[in-house]
Amino acid sequence: DTAVSQTPKYLVTQMGNDKSIKCEQNLGHDTMYWYKQDSKKFLKIMFSYNNKELIINETVPNRFSPKSPDKAHLNLHINSLELGDSAVYFCASSQPGASNYGYTFGSGTRLTVV
Amino acid sequence: AQSVSQHNHHVILSEAASLELGCNYSYGGTVNLFWYVQYPGQHLQLLLKYFSGDPLVKGIKGFEAEFIKSKFSFNLRKPSVQWSDTAEYFCAVKGGRNPGNMLTFGGGTRLMVKP
Repeated sequence: DTAVSQTPKYLVTQMGNDKSIKCEQNLGHDTMYWYKQDSKKFLKIMFSYNNKELIINETVPNRFSPKSPDKAHLNLHINSLELGDSAVYFCASSQPGASNYGYTFGSGTRLTVV
Repeated sequence: AQSVSQHNHHVILSEAASLELGCNYSYGGTVNLFWYVQYPGQHLQLLLKYFSGDPLVKGIKGFEAEFIKSKFSFNLRKPSVQWSDTAEYFCAVKGGRNPGNMLTFGGGTRLMVKP
């Protein structure tokens, strides 16, 4: 069973469209994250949710809106897509306080805006 | 927030060569340190982590890292690399000036091992 699963794996869309990326974790973790990896492989956190509550919201355009219906899911909705949004988006989860604390990453969603 | 610097952006080695990748973090009190590996086209996987105790940490696939507090460093090492180690390596830090459980990643080091 995949611990952190993201869908879709690839997403090609036109500028101006609205799209969503879904993430689900079956690890029972309380905290989930979205990271953006740009073309130079630089990883930057976008959002973090703990038990469905937003705890980190880095400087991200408000076209990006995370939604956490429950602690096992953290979806990312993007409005009015722009060329610069092209990147790989990684979802991750962690269990703060656990002795083996670390992030578990999903396999990524490669978003290409044309 | 914490910052993390990885000074080597690209490293090319021949098989059996020794590897050391540098990682420095900005001062911010007590931190936890991690190395992640990303094989081509894949997601990030944890190689090793330091929380406390012995500053020399051993991870998977023969990798190890040494935490030197006085130098704010957490360099990754492997005595003899293999072609299959070709990947992108990321150093990351949690704690210190970071809010919550946020991980800050370095810019990554692309390692290419020639057969």
